[in-house]
Amino acid sequence: DQQVKQNSPSLSVQEGRISILNCDYTNSMFDYFLWYKKYPAEGPTFLISISSIKDKNEDGRFTVFLNKSAKHLSLHIVPSQPGDSAVYFCAASAGLTYKYIFGTGTRLKVLA
Amino acid sequence: NAGVMQNPRHLVRRRGQEARLRCSPMKGHSHVYWYRQLPEEGLKFMVYLQKENIIDESGMPKERFSAEFPKEGPSILRIQQVVRGDSAAYFCASSPGEGEPQHFGDGTRLSIL
Repeated sequence: DQQVKQNSPSLSVQEGRISILNCDYTNSMFDYFLWYKKYPAEGPTFLISISSIKDKNEDGRFTVFLNKSAKHLSLHIVPSQPGDSAVYFCAASAGLTYKYIFGTGTRLKVLA
Repeated sequence: NAGVMQNPRHLVRRRGQEARLRCSPMKGHSHVYWYRQLPEEGLKFMVYLQKENIIDESGMPKERFSAEFPKEGPSILRIQQVVRGDSAAYFCASSPGEGEPQHFGDGTRLSIL
């Protein structure tokens, strides 16, 4: 039972354009969400997080949007750069606990 | 490098042998987590430890797997009598506190022959 779903396994975007990565979840107890970026042969790197009391959080080129009623969150990267090419994982937890539930990832390719 | 350090990066074992994976958390972090990633899947939580204590091992198989985080030294994930299905990437993460974002090491890729 996949509680966190990233339905797009891959995405290609032109450099300078917006990248939108999507994530859906099924567990209504989730109240803390994170995005991680992962390069090949490296560990995931924390990018940005959002708690359920907010619907938007922004950090530089990265913005995460949370739609609780739809149980959906998205990561926007503007403008996209070739160095953003990586696999992006969405993760969720309930009650700010340590047990992160990860999605299967979306591979982003930013074309120069 | 003050990040989470895992070693070895690659480990090859034959079926029936033991595998020991080590993790040194970031400086100042006393919370350690282990995750496993199978090919084409997301990371799956295995165990959460603080110094000398296992807080939650609900994601770890009941047999053959054990973890520790001693007072001195790195955290160790130990897999006894390895089988082919144990082949995966094992990631360690650490955080300064329980509700704070976890920072990951580069993983140990375990291959079972």
